[in-house]
Amino acid sequence: QVQLQESGPGLVKPSETLSLTCTVSGGSVSSGNYYWTWIRQTPGKGLEWIGYIHYNANAYSASTTYNPSLKSRVTISVDTSKNLFSLKVNSVTAADTAMYYCAREAHSSQFYYNYGMDVWGQGTTVTVSS
Amino acid sequence: EIVMTQSPATLSVSPGERATLSCRASQSISNNLVWYQQKPGQAPRLLIYGASTRATGIPTRFSGSGSGTEFTLTISRLQSEDFAVYYCQHYDNWSRTFGQGTKVEVK
Repeated sequence: QVQLQESGPGLVKPSETLSLTCTVSGGSVSSGNYYWTWIRQTPGKGLEWIGYIHYNANAYSASTTYNPSLKSRVTISVDTSKNLFSLKVNSVTAADTAMYYCAREAHSSQFYYNYGMDVWGQGTTVTVSS
Repeated sequence: EIVMTQSPATLSVSPGERATLSCRASQSISNNLVWYQQKPGQAPRLLIYGASTRATGIPTRFSGSGSGTEFTLTISRLQSEDFAVYYCQHYDNWSRTFGQGTKVEVK
């Protein structure tokens, strides 16, 4: 079955860029009706959706959608050769300290129906501190 | 922005009893709602999508209902492994929004 694994630095300095990777095993990031998603969780704000990326293998292109509140600082990308997708958050502050999860959101054909986030990574803790 | 409000924040229930969790949307979201369960130290687990369809492998004691702005997750007979935090989540073409969660604890 599909498994996801987050990786990246656990400590990032304020004003720098947070970079995380989610490696996909048991499946392909470039096939299927999936949105490859990042979510973060803090005790104060709970679960916060960051955004997702979808790779269209027919068009050899990817499309992204971001949380409007984070859009100016977030980039999600995909590397089909390594079967992974990544998250970058620029200009981080202490408010970006969180547990970061990657997840797969499943959809029906034509993306008509949303089946929810059915596969999650175990999460990785990121602390923003000097 | 659609706001999802869950109630109560904490629900104390005895094993074997029924638990009823509520989720309210700030505006109508049709049936674009998902429920997750999260246990300490674990990632959330998908329970229900489309407001009422159980995900693969989810026991029949979990049921979801509702449409529009009012949604309910019911656990018919609580088992020990069901004590956890439950989140509802809305989705549309532009975003996903989670509720703040309901903790189901042992009474």
